[in-house]
Amino acid sequence: QITLKESGPTLVKPTQTLTLTCTFSGFSLSTSGVGVGWIRQPPGEALEWFALIFWDDDKRYSPSLKSRLTITKDTSKNQVVLTMTNMDPVDTATYYCAHLSKWSSRGDSFDFWGQGTMVTVSS
Amino acid sequence: DIQMTQSPSTLSASVGDRVTITCRASQSISSWLAWYQQKPGKAPKLLIYKASSLESGVPSRFSGSGSGTEFTLTISSLQPDDFATYYCQQYSTYPRTFGQGTKVEIK
Repeated sequence: QITLKESGPTLVKPTQTLTLTCTFSGFSLSTSGVGVGWIRQPPGEALEWFALIFWDDDKRYSPSLKSRLTITKDTSKNQVVLTMTNMDPVDTATYYCAHLSKWSSRGDSFDFWGQGTMVTVSS
Repeated sequence: DIQMTQSPSTLSASVGDRVTITCRASQSISSWLAWYQQKPGKAPKLLIYKASSLESGVPSRFSGSGSGTEFTLTISSLQPDDFATYYCQQYSTYPRTFGQGTKVEIK
């Protein structure tokens, strides 16, 4: 079955760079149509999509965060790595990674999610 | 960006009630809409994709409808396990965007 799990620091200081890793199993990011996205959720607030990488290395970013983001994949390790530079307290949130399969009936909806990892930005 | 607006923001209902949540897109998204359920401290769970297709394993009391800019999620008979927050999400264009959420509370 498909599982995803986020890992990374729980606390970062303002201006630092955040690096999060999504480690997954049950699928391969070399399979046509597969993608892994990142979605975050500040405490008590709504979900916000901000990055996505596909099997063919196509990458998509939220315009509001694009200048700060880099998403990469390591197919051999079944991992997706996200870096976000210049962290600010407003970036405090739970960060989720999620799977999609473009060619499935579900299309680009996120059908499997990791448990999320809470990141606090504070000095 | 396409704005997704959900109404109501909060809904108080009783077990057995029929519940309807509306999601409006700021421009047409055809049927490229998903609905998720989220419980406190948990990841969202896909309920509905392509506006009206029920995800495998999701109870049939959940249904989705709509196309273009107006969508609804209906729970035909609210069960205790359904008290949660519900989000719509468009996947027609980038950036992908979510609604602000609808919290279904116990009346």
